Amino acid sequence: GAVVSQHPSRVICKSGTSVKIECRSLDFQATTMFWYRQFPKQSLMLMATSNEGSKATYEQGVEKDKFLINHASLTLSTLTVTSAHPEDSSFYICSARRIGSGDYNEQFFGPGTRLTVL
Amino acid sequence: GQNIDQPTEMTATEGAIVQINCTYQTSGFNGLFWYQQHAGEAPTFLSYNVLDGLEEKGRFSSFLSRSKGYSYLLLKELQMKDSASYLCAVLDSNYQLIWGAGTKLIIKP
Repeated sequence: GAVVSQHPSRVICKSGTSVKIECRSLDFQATTMFWYRQFPKQSLMLMATSNEGSKATYEQGVEKDKFLINHASLTLSTLTVTSAHPEDSSFYICSARRIGSGDYNEQFFGPGTRLTVL
Repeated sequence: GQNIDQPTEMTATEGAIVQINCTYQTSGFNGLFWYQQHAGEAPTFLSYNVLDGLEEKGRFSSFLSRSKGYSYLLLKELQMKDSASYLCAVLDSNYQLIWGAGTKLIIKP
């Protein structure tokens, strides 16, 4: 159990367009979902934390108007990169924390979305 | 500030043993995770330590010393498929994961 899916897995878009990435917990309910960005040869960078039904908490330096996060249900969160530019090209990964995970607080990761902005 | 240090890259031989170290300084501690990440893929969970000592899971073991702010991941009987990046991450007092930069492990035949 504890599977997280992301869609799409890969997207190529033109500069100025918006891209929506979906993150779903398939077999569990997630209290909290996290969105990360990872540039080549670098570590994961937390962009924002979202709780179902409330506004996302963005990390310092992350523009909330550019990276729109909607956590519509306990199994779905979406990240929309608005007016994407080449510098937004990166590997975007979501993770989900399971309700009742107790002491573990383990995060289950989606497979990631490779965004390339031309 | 919060800081997690681990070597950038290590090389080992197939069949051998390798130890990847991680030192941390964080605001609070609620556990330390090790993840494996192959190129172009998301991290996959390897281990979780919250108490001092060694946790063994097959070919992989993880050790924690909270007083020293230190952990290591031990990989035995190395296989070529173990070539990957290994990420150390600490859960801080706000239950946020603080990530190390990762150690790229290269396995040679």
